[in-house]
Amino acid sequence: DAKTTQPTSMDCAEGRAANLPCNHSTISGNEYVYWYRQIHSQGPQYIIHGLKNNETNEMASLIITEDRKSSTLILPHATLRDTAVYYCIVRTINTGTASKLTFGTGTRLQVTL
Amino acid sequence: DSGVTQTPKHLITATGQRVTLRCSPRSGDLSVYWYQQSLDQGLQFLIQYYNGEERAKGNILERFSAQQFPDLHSELNLSSLELGDSALYFCASSLGLAGTYEQYFGPGTRLTVT
Repeated sequence: DAKTTQPTSMDCAEGRAANLPCNHSTISGNEYVYWYRQIHSQGPQYIIHGLKNNETNEMASLIITEDRKSSTLILPHATLRDTAVYYCIVRTINTGTASKLTFGTGTRLQVTL
Repeated sequence: DSGVTQTPKHLITATGQRVTLRCSPRSGDLSVYWYQQSLDQGLQFLIQYYNGEERAKGNILERFSAQQFPDLHSELNLSSLELGDSALYFCASSLGLAGTYEQYFGPGTRLTVT
């Protein structure tokens, strides 16, 4: 799986949009971009994933650049409960191959009042 | 609530002992994954099962083993425990094998080896 690079930490004011960048310059055509988050020591929580089009769900939006070498996770109105470590993961879509998640160090997002 | 359950939540045991961690996947999910999270290593993939068969191995020690039963629940067995095995152990499940399926994680088992 392609390697990803994320900032170590970010701050965001409550109610504002949190934009978390991820660089995955070596991504290949058969790899998805996945985002997970981990709140304190809870199990990681799936947020969103995409291949090349922008995606939106009830939790967040995922913007993938046209060359697919980077992406941004957007939490439109961050709350204190969004304070967590956010992981950007690139993962093969191939059927039948190992589909493990390879976690990096992630971005620690701190949402403040 | 992800729908994945893990027991026990906490486990404290001594070096040299053996423990079994249990995971029940979400209803309908056929694939189960085990991950270990320690302070110095981060979240690491250990092993994956799909419909009862082992499909992938990560950095799993020989002292560790796992299996998935016909009812699809899975157990991770850790033996000859060492202090360094203290960690959070997470189980995740997904509908299928492919990377198109998101994985849903359980709340984890915190293992403390003294």
